[in-house]
Amino acid sequence: DQQVKQNSPSLSVQEGRISILNCDYTNSMFDYFLWYKKYPAEGPTFLISISSIKDKNEDGRFTVFLNKSAKHLSLHIVPSQPGDSAVYFCASETGNQFYFGTGTSLTVIP
Amino acid sequence: DAGVTQSPTHLIKTRGQQVTLRCSPKSGHDTVSWYQQALGQGPQFIFQYYEEEERQRGNFPDRFSGHQFPNYSSELNVNALLLGDSALYLCASNPRTGVYTGELFFGEGSRLTVL
Repeated sequence: DQQVKQNSPSLSVQEGRISILNCDYTNSMFDYFLWYKKYPAEGPTFLISISSIKDKNEDGRFTVFLNKSAKHLSLHIVPSQPGDSAVYFCASETGNQFYFGTGTSLTVIP
Repeated sequence: DAGVTQSPTHLIKTRGQQVTLRCSPKSGHDTVSWYQQALGQGPQFIFQYYEEEERQRGNFPDRFSGHQFPNYSSELNVNALLLGDSALYLCASNPRTGVYTGELFFGEGSRLTVL
């Protein structure tokens, strides 16, 4: 039962442009939504999160949008940089249990 | 300030064997969770330990067991290994107290290959 889905396995973007990564979820009881970034041979690292009571959270170049009615989450990276190339996982949390999507591999082309 | 550390980083086992993976949480963290990440998949929750007890468990068989020690470090044990157990095993820690952000801190993982 995949409660969190990332339907785009990969995304390529030109340096300086906007990267938009999408995520859908099924459980309306999730309390927090998070994005993690993973480089090869490293563990995932936290990027940004949003509480279920908000619809937007911004941190520098990264903005997460939450559309509860559509059960949809998106991450915007502006401007995209080559160092942003990594696998991005969205995750949802309820009761301190986390559910992860399958990841989107972002490539930022210089 | 040491982050989450895991050992070993890589290991190879054969079907039917048993394996033990180890994790030390980030300083100040008392809750440890284990995740299995198969190739091309996202991390899947195995279980979580707090105060030396298993508090939550994902959809994994009893072959997967764990332990948390008084210093908050943890072990993951897998018995009767199957080929399908080949994966990256991630340990994550977070504090139970303080401002909740939902953030997990992950180690680099232990890559298990079952032949």
